[in-house]
Amino acid sequence: NAGVTQTPKFRILKIGQSMTLQCAQDMNHNYMYWYRQDPGMGLKLIYYSVGAGITDKGEVPNGYNVSRSTTEDFPLRLELAAPSQTSVYFCASSSATANRNTIYFGEGSWLTVV
Amino acid sequence: DAKTTQPPSMDCAEGRAANLPCNHSTISGNEYVYWYRQIHSQGPQYIIHGLKNNETNEMASLIITEDRKSSTLILPHATLRDTAVYYCIVRNAGGTSYGKLTFGQGTILTVHP
Repeated sequence: NAGVTQTPKFRILKIGQSMTLQCAQDMNHNYMYWYRQDPGMGLKLIYYSVGAGITDKGEVPNGYNVSRSTTEDFPLRLELAAPSQTSVYFCASSSATANRNTIYFGEGSWLTVV
Repeated sequence: DAKTTQPPSMDCAEGRAANLPCNHSTISGNEYVYWYRQIHSQGPQYIIHGLKNNETNEMASLIITEDRKSSTLILPHATLRDTAVYYCIVRNAGGTSYGKLTFGQGTILTVHP
């Protein structure tokens, strides 16, 4: 298993541009999440999904959109990028069964908006 | 979710046990205690979790007090690679909010030679 795979690993965006961070997992997990982590800070939940076709907002959803058309994929869309979205983004997943709070994280995507 | 309180930083000598405390005085009966860590520039890594009994796995031990208001993560023989930020999280295992973990500031553990 590759686990949780995120692409791209690094990206520089200009203000106002849009982009999609890709996330895929091969563990057949129902639950998937997007977090952001600003320098020196803890993780904050952006969006999460409990299954294909179902998404919900986390703590900091403004400026982002997500979709979940398949169990495996959970892309995060940034529309009209702003400097405040400069951060490290982590995608994660967990099983819907007993260890649902045992969350597996990807390696992160570093985004800079200039 | 119950709020957790952790010291901002701790030091430990290599080869010694690292004991990381966490207070969760408002924990409710069906809330679990989870520990994660984040090594610099990497994604967080699950370590261990428990409800009320002490737990041990290949990475660490988790000691939960009888009143469940606090817990301690023990790394029995800390190595330099254990230097990381350690997060204690209390989470309700029921309802529709499964898995929606909230990470606080955590404890920065520095293991020195």
